[in-house]
Amino acid sequence: GQQVMQIPQYQHVQEGEDFTTYCNSSTTLSNIQWYKQRPGGHPVFLIQLVKSGEVKKQKRLTFQFGEAKKNSSLHITATQTTDVGTYFCAGGFSGNTGKLIFGQGTTLQVKP
Amino acid sequence: NAGVTQTPKFQVLKTGQSMTLQCAQDMNHEYMSWYRQDPGMGLRLIHYSVGAGITDQGEVPNGYNVSRSTTEDFPLRLLLAAPSQTSVYFCASSYSVTGNSPLHFGNGTRLTVT
Repeated sequence: GQQVMQIPQYQHVQEGEDFTTYCNSSTTLSNIQWYKQRPGGHPVFLIQLVKSGEVKKQKRLTFQFGEAKKNSSLHITATQTTDVGTYFCAGGFSGNTGKLIFGQGTTLQVKP
Repeated sequence: NAGVTQTPKFQVLKTGQSMTLQCAQDMNHEYMSWYRQDPGMGLRLIHYSVGAGITDQGEVPNGYNVSRSTTEDFPLRLLLAAPSQTSVYFCASSYSVTGNSPLHFGNGTRLTVT
């Protein structure tokens, strides 16, 4: 079946260090979305990537979509304590009538 | 604009009981879905709907029923609750039915089955 794998599951960093989470699919994705969930909260949409090789930036966050549209990454430069939370990728598959399959999430802890 | 509203926020059930988790959105979104979130498992899709009268199964549909009689409402029914259904449930909606628009999530329902 369609699966989206995300690693690592947890990451602890010192404030100011960089952080990266990776998503992989065995089949080609039509698009990929990224969400952030703060502790005790609900997932909140960050960004969507659609094109092969696409790179988008939001301040200290850089999102990439692989050339084969099977993998994606989120990189945070110089983490801050406000970056704490769980980051999810969600993949859309062609012909899937709208359903998005989420990765397992990466929980980021930032030590001040 | 309330967005996506889920009720209740918390619920405790005994094994074998039934209940309905409510979800309503006021954004006129055609697409609605239910996810469950368990530690280390991410968000798993239970059921989804691309419009009133249309529903389909997601990754983990067993033990759950849904219906979509109106655009606004998408209730999730647990017929015979089991401890394995202890989880946090999120309802989410989107204006596009093709999966290329953001999902708007409700605040979640934390369900415990004893």
